Amino acid sequence: KNQVEQSPQSLIILEGKNCTLQCNYTVSPFSNLRWYKQDTGRGPVSLTIMTFSENTKSNGRYTATLDADTKQSSLHITASQLSDSASYICVVSADYKLSFGAGTTVTVRA
Amino acid sequence: DGGITQSPKYLFRKEGQNVTLSCEQNLNHDAMYWYRQDPGQGLRLIYYSQIVNDFQKGDIAEGYSVSREKKESFPLTVTSAQKNPTAFYLCASTDRPGHGNQPQHFGDGTRLSIL
Repeated sequence: KNQVEQSPQSLIILEGKNCTLQCNYTVSPFSNLRWYKQDTGRGPVSLTIMTFSENTKSNGRYTATLDADTKQSSLHITASQLSDSASYICVVSADYKLSFGAGTTVTVRA
Repeated sequence: DGGITQSPKYLFRKEGQNVTLSCEQNLNHDAMYWYRQDPGQGLRLIYYSQIVNDFQKGDIAEGYSVSREKKESFPLTVTSAQKNPTAFYLCASTDRPGHGNQPQHFGDGTRLSIL
């Protein structure tokens, strides 16, 4: 069964600090990997989409990396802001079917 | 602004009652999807539609029904057969469903609870 595992489940960081979220997957065959940001009570919003050949992709202060050999991805948040408080969801696509991770809840404190 | 509108934001269901969640998009997207989100779990696909008048069951379709009579609308009915309907329901759409690198656009969800 295709699975997407995210860690940690939640984390708390101080405003201005950096953090890294992890995503491991067993999905096959791999098409692409996406990171979404979901604010409380809202729908997810796409941050990045990476294909097999892409190792790194940035969107402002968000940088995603992909190692397709080890089936691992990370999302790095630089100089965190209070507005970064949200759940971050890793989604892996295989043959156009999407497998969703449970998300990492990030809380940024002043 | 183009986007997906879900209504209502909150919905309460009585035992034995069917309820319908609305999803409307003005993105001119061909494909639309319904997901269920429960705490501590990833989104799970209920139904999807790649074209008007056609839809397919997802992973957890039992107790749910949909219709796709118009391109912009994809309502979801939670029937009385769904014994555990309490969840956050998300509608999504995407352009060119056969091209997997297209991001899904999501609505802001409907939270359904049992009275």
